[in-house]
Amino acid sequence: GAVVSQHPSRVICKSGTSVKIECRSLDFQATTMFWYRQFPKQSLMLMATSNEGSKATYEQGVEKDKFLINHASLTLSTLTVTSAHPEDSSFYICSARRAGTTYNEQFFGPGTRLTVL
Amino acid sequence: GESVGLHLPTLSVQEGDNSIINCAYSNSASDYFIWYKQESGKGPQFIIDIRSNMDKRQGQRVTVLLNKTVKHLSLQIAATQPGDSAVYFCAENHSTASFGNEKLTFGTGTRLTIIP
Repeated sequence: GAVVSQHPSRVICKSGTSVKIECRSLDFQATTMFWYRQFPKQSLMLMATSNEGSKATYEQGVEKDKFLINHASLTLSTLTVTSAHPEDSSFYICSARRAGTTYNEQFFGPGTRLTVL
Repeated sequence: GESVGLHLPTLSVQEGDNSIINCAYSNSASDYFIWYKQESGKGPQFIIDIRSNMDKRQGQRVTVLLNKTVKHLSLQIAATQPGDSAVYFCAENHSTASFGNEKLTFGTGTRLTIIP
């Protein structure tokens, strides 16, 4: 159990376009989902925390108007990179926290590789 | 600022030997710690966790030790196998008064290479 999927796994887009990434918890309900970004050979950096039915909480330095997050259900959160630029190229990873858990145990998706040309 | 860091960025271990990966954290209020394994091009995979009221926890071939006095965390992998080659991250949980504000802060990572 506790499987998290992401779609797409890889996307290449032109500069100026928008890209949507989906994160789904397949076999559990997730009241909270998290979005991370990881540059090559670096650690995961939290971008935002998404709670079902409410606005996402963004980390300092992350533009909320550029990285739109929607957590419409207990099993789905989406991240839309708007007007993407080459510097947005990165590995985007989501995680989900199972509803009702006491500790912040997060299950991670396989990641989405975004390349902006 | 608060940070979670690792002492060694790379570690090479002979197959069958034991390995120890270390992690230092700075937030004394952290109440939960997790070790993740990340293979190339994949998301982090949960290995083992430990709560702040414990100092040791064992899993299958893995042991996590927590020393709150010096804010140090370690991951021991016994009888290493080629499949253990990956990057290992420690993460600490920052717990706030608000349930919705809990978040994990990841360390810089250690690349473990198992030599056949």
